[in-house]
Amino acid sequence: DAEITQSPRHKITETGRQVTLACHQTWNHNNMFWYRQDLGHGLRLIHYSYGVQDTNKGEVSDGYSVSRSNTEDLPLTLESAASSQTSVYFCASSEGTGTGGTQYFGPGTRLTVL
Amino acid sequence: GIQVEQSPPDLILQEGANSTLRCNFSDSVNNLQWFHQNPWGQLINLFYIPSGTKQNGRLSATTVATERYSLLYISSSQTTDSGVYFCAVNNNAGNMLTFGGGTRLMVKP
Repeated sequence: DAEITQSPRHKITETGRQVTLACHQTWNHNNMFWYRQDLGHGLRLIHYSYGVQDTNKGEVSDGYSVSRSNTEDLPLTLESAASSQTSVYFCASSEGTGTGGTQYFGPGTRLTVL
Repeated sequence: GIQVEQSPPDLILQEGANSTLRCNFSDSVNNLQWFHQNPWGQLINLFYIPSGTKQNGRLSATTVATERYSLLYISSSQTTDSGVYFCAVNNNAGNMLTFGGGTRLMVKP
């Protein structure tokens, strides 16, 4: 069955370190997204991609970057981790173009920055 | 940007009861989805429903796009329905979703 996976599921790091969270989908979807979920803020969009070599900033993109070298993967990099980036991170994908379609979410990565 | 408000923020039900969750949005939308986040944190897509009515078992949803709201109905609730229900919308050409604050549901046995 097609799925979307994230790794690691849990990560503890220190302030100032570079961290990369992996997202891999086997749906063959064009669209991929990264969100963060925090108490009191719900889910907020960090970055998104509509295809290979395409990346775009979302609502809360400062301090994060993404790259899309193939259809299946959209890794999220925290260039210099900060305590404010402690959160649960969700990757999602969807098929289609234009208005798109249903978004499917990965299991999440819980990141703690000490 | 578009605003999404969900009500009620919290809901406690006895097993077997019915409930209605509401999602109001501030602009016209071309994508609306309902999600259930279970107690383990997994986000499960329930409905893709920018307009009209859909049903899936004990769950159904209705979106009245012209009046900018959507309703999620849960009938004969079960303890496994507990969790947080999110409404998310998009009003751009792309597929970026803006999430509401969620309704936290607890179903007691």
